[in-house]
Amino acid sequence: NAGVMQNPRHLVRRRGQEARLRCSPMKGHSHVYWYRQLPEEGLKFMVYLQKENIIDESGMPKERFSAEFPKEGPSILRIQQVVRGDSAAYFCASSPQGGREKLFFGSGTQLSVL
Amino acid sequence: KQEVTQIPAALSVPEGENLVLNCSFTDSAIYNLQWFRQDPGKGLTSLLLIQSSQREQTSGRLNASLDKSSGRSTLYIAASQPGDSATYLCAPNSGGSNYKLTFGKGTLLTVNP
Repeated sequence: NAGVMQNPRHLVRRRGQEARLRCSPMKGHSHVYWYRQLPEEGLKFMVYLQKENIIDESGMPKERFSAEFPKEGPSILRIQQVVRGDSAAYFCASSPQGGREKLFFGSGTQLSVL
Repeated sequence: KQEVTQIPAALSVPEGENLVLNCSFTDSAIYNLQWFRQDPGKGLTSLLLIQSSQREQTSGRLNASLDKSSGRSTLYIAASQPGDSATYLCAPNSGGSNYKLTFGKGTLLTVNP
């Protein structure tokens, strides 16, 4: 049973470009969470999704960031018009059900904005 | 707003030593608390999950305790090994939400052979 798969592992973008980060949850998991780890800071919650639904996006920046988890395919975190401050490690986690259970994390995508 | 503090920020010990990592959090209205380890360039591995109704959880050489009322958790590692070297993260879920974790900055543990 493969773990949470994130790709790419490393992504380099120039300012103003778009970044698309992908996350495939563990088999049987229908709940996906995105977290961001800025340099020298702890991981911070961004968004919680179930298939085709955004449950909680309270941690998402108001502009340029969006997330989806379609019926088929991976969850996508999209950052439009990236700026240097978006450089961070983005982690995806999944769980079989929402709530009081372990989250399983992927290896993350390191985004570098030049 | 939940805030998590982990002490010490870094710890270096000789192999075989028993050690304790500390975590404190400001909002005691949590559903559970997880301890993770993070290896450089890799994701997070969940070590232990303690529900709010529990006092401790054990897995192998690891034992985590939870004192919800005082906002404290400890991770005890017995007979440490060089392979235990990693950053250890404490993450209670935020008050009012049973899925939103708040992470501390972690304790960087180095176990020297």
